[in-house]
Amino acid sequence: AQSVAQPEDQVNVAEGNPLTVKCTYSVSGNPYLFWYVQYPNRGLQFLLKYITGDNLVKGSYGFEAEFNKSQTSFHLKKPSALVSDSALYFCAVRAVTGGFKTIFGAGTRLFVKA
Amino acid sequence: DSGVTQTPKHLITATGQRVTLRCSPRSGDLSVYWYQQSLDQGLQFLIQYYNGEERAKGNILERFSAQQFPDLHSELNLSSLELGDSALYFCASSDGTLSSGNTIYFGEGSWLTVV
Repeated sequence: AQSVAQPEDQVNVAEGNPLTVKCTYSVSGNPYLFWYVQYPNRGLQFLLKYITGDNLVKGSYGFEAEFNKSQTSFHLKKPSALVSDSALYFCAVRAVTGGFKTIFGAGTRLFVKA
Repeated sequence: DSGVTQTPKHLITATGQRVTLRCSPRSGDLSVYWYQQSLDQGLQFLIQYYNGEERAKGNILERFSAQQFPDLHSELNLSSLELGDSALYFCASSDGTLSSGNTIYFGEGSWLTVV
C-alpha cells in the first residue's frame, strides 16, 4: 500500500534562511512524487513533481525538491524563505504501476517569520 | 486559477440530509478525483473517474457516491449526512493516460457544514 509521511507538523524558519520540509514515502515499485501548497481557504496548488531523470526537481516560486531513492525521501527545499511562503505544504505519491491513487501526506505547516 | 470549478462553495445542511457537490474539470481533462479534507483526517482520497468510468477507490463511505457524466463533469453525492461529514471537499482533474505522471489540479473546494 502507498503511504506518505511528513514527520513535522510545523516548520518555523526566519525570512531569508533556507527551508526544508520533509517527506518520506512508501510505494511498490517506482514512484511519482508531488508537492503542493495550500493557502488559507484555498485549494491545493501544484509546486513540482518528480517523474524520472534528474533527482533534483525545480518548481514554482523558487522551490526545489530532491528525490532520494535509497532513503525513499522527497524533501522540499528553498534557499531563502519569504514570509509569503507561510502556508500548508503537502507531499503526495502515486505508484507508477499497479494503481492510480494519489496519496497525500498529512501536511506540514510552514511559518516564516520576518 | 486551476481551471477546475466546484459548486457550491459553501453549503450548510442538517443531519440526515443529502447534498450534491458538482465539479467541472479543466478543459480537456479526462480524470476527475474527489478528496475530503478535515482537521482530524487530513486530505483523504475518495474516488477517481476516468472518462466516465470509476478507476480507483479510496476511503469513500457507502453513504457517498459519485459519477462522471459524458460531458466529463462529476458529481459527489453525500447522503444521510452526519456531523462528522463536515469538511472541505475537493475536486481535482488531470489529463493524459492513467499511468502517466500527470499532475492533478485542484479546485477551490466546497465547504460542507452539517448541523
